[in-house]
Amino acid sequence: EAGVVQSPRYKIIEKKQPVAFWCNPISGHNTLYWYLQNLGQGPELLIRYENEEAVDDSQLPKDRFSAERLKGVDSTLKIQPAELGDSAVYLCASSPSGGLAVSEQFFGPGTRLTVL
Amino acid sequence: DQQVKQNSPSLSVQEGRISILNCDYTNSMFDYFLWYKKYPAEGPTFLISISSIKDKNEDGRFTVFLNKSAKHLSLHIVPSQPGDSAVYFCAAKSRGSTLGRLYFGRGTQLTVWP
Repeated sequence: EAGVVQSPRYKIIEKKQPVAFWCNPISGHNTLYWYLQNLGQGPELLIRYENEEAVDDSQLPKDRFSAERLKGVDSTLKIQPAELGDSAVYLCASSPSGGLAVSEQFFGPGTRLTVL
Repeated sequence: DQQVKQNSPSLSVQEGRISILNCDYTNSMFDYFLWYKKYPAEGPTFLISISSIKDKNEDGRFTVFLNKSAKHLSLHIVPSQPGDSAVYFCAAKSRGSTLGRLYFGRGTQLTVWP
């Protein structure tokens, strides 16, 4: 079974430029998560999708970050414009179900973003 | 405000010995706890979990203990192997309004030396 796929794996951009990350979850997983992991920290949730619906986006800085999951499968996370402090690893995860069901999340390898 | 705390950033253990990784939490609404393992340049992978209705869960060499009164859990690895060297994250899930969200600690780097 293929795992969570993310691309690109690494991205270097200059500040004020836009950047986008792509995630393909495990087939059949309805719930998709985007996490931010700063150096020396644990992952922090940015947004959670149940199918196409964003059900938890309270941690997403909406002035510069946006996300979409149009057909309930792949997802894109965008930053526009990027700032120096956005340098981090962006992790995508998926799980068979969210909400009341207890299930572990399966993580992709992440995209390491460096903003110069 | 860190709701899940891993106060030891690193742990070094000899092969064959026991590794004990600790985790504390502050939110009494947490009802499910997980441990993830992370190798460099890879995403975290699920290791073991425990529900708040239990105080112990065992899976092979890995055992997680939960002390609800102390809001403390620990992961025991016996015997430790060099391949266990990785960063271990403790995570918790709340039964409150943020159902489905995992709260992670900062991680503990475990090094198992021969």
